[in-house]
Amino acid sequence: SQQGEEDPQALSIQEGENATMNCSYKTSINNLQWYRQNSGRGLVHLILIRSNEREKHSGRLRVTLDTSKKSSSLLITASRAADTASYFCATDGAGANSKLTFGKGITLSVRP
Amino acid sequence: AAGVIQSPRHLIKEKRETATLKCYPIPRHDTVYWYQQGPGQDPQFLISFYEKMQSDKGSIPDRFSAQQFSDYHSELNMSSLELGDSALYFCASSTRPAGDTQYFGPGTRLTVL
Repeated sequence: SQQGEEDPQALSIQEGENATMNCSYKTSINNLQWYRQNSGRGLVHLILIRSNEREKHSGRLRVTLDTSKKSSSLLITASRAADTASYFCATDGAGANSKLTFGKGITLSVRP
Repeated sequence: AAGVIQSPRHLIKEKRETATLKCYPIPRHDTVYWYQQGPGQDPQFLISFYEKMQSDKGSIPDRFSAQQFSDYHSELNMSSLELGDSALYFCASSTRPAGDTQYFGPGTRLTVL
């Protein structure tokens, strides 16, 4: 089954640095979405990139999508302590189904 | 802006009991999804509804059932609870067509003792 898999699994950086997280998946997709989750809390939608898009920006976030390599990256620039959370990529399979398949998640720690 | 509402936020049950989780989608969203997230795990798709009809089914145990009502809210019914059912249960909603953003509720934390 298709699955988003992120790397690295955990990332620790200093406030102000950039954080790059990668995600790979296995099958064709409609879109790929990135979510943030603070410990044990809800999933907050960050950004959606469609299969015909290559790059998308939203504030300090930049997402790229390479459908030939079945991979995506999320870049958070000028990180803040408040960015500390787990980040998931989720793929929406091609076709009529819209269920999301999540990867394992990346734990980002931003040190003040 | 209105968000997805889930109730209750926390639920504690004993083994073999039943539980009902409720989800109220964002207004004008006609599609509802249920996901289960075990401790330290990624969310897993359970079931979805579009216009009150089941649209897709994932790894949902036979002990669980769900439906979407005429006002588009959805309920997940869980019977014969097991310890392994302890998890965060998320509801998400979206508008059609397929491939739109899914907005998640805050989740219901179910603990089975």
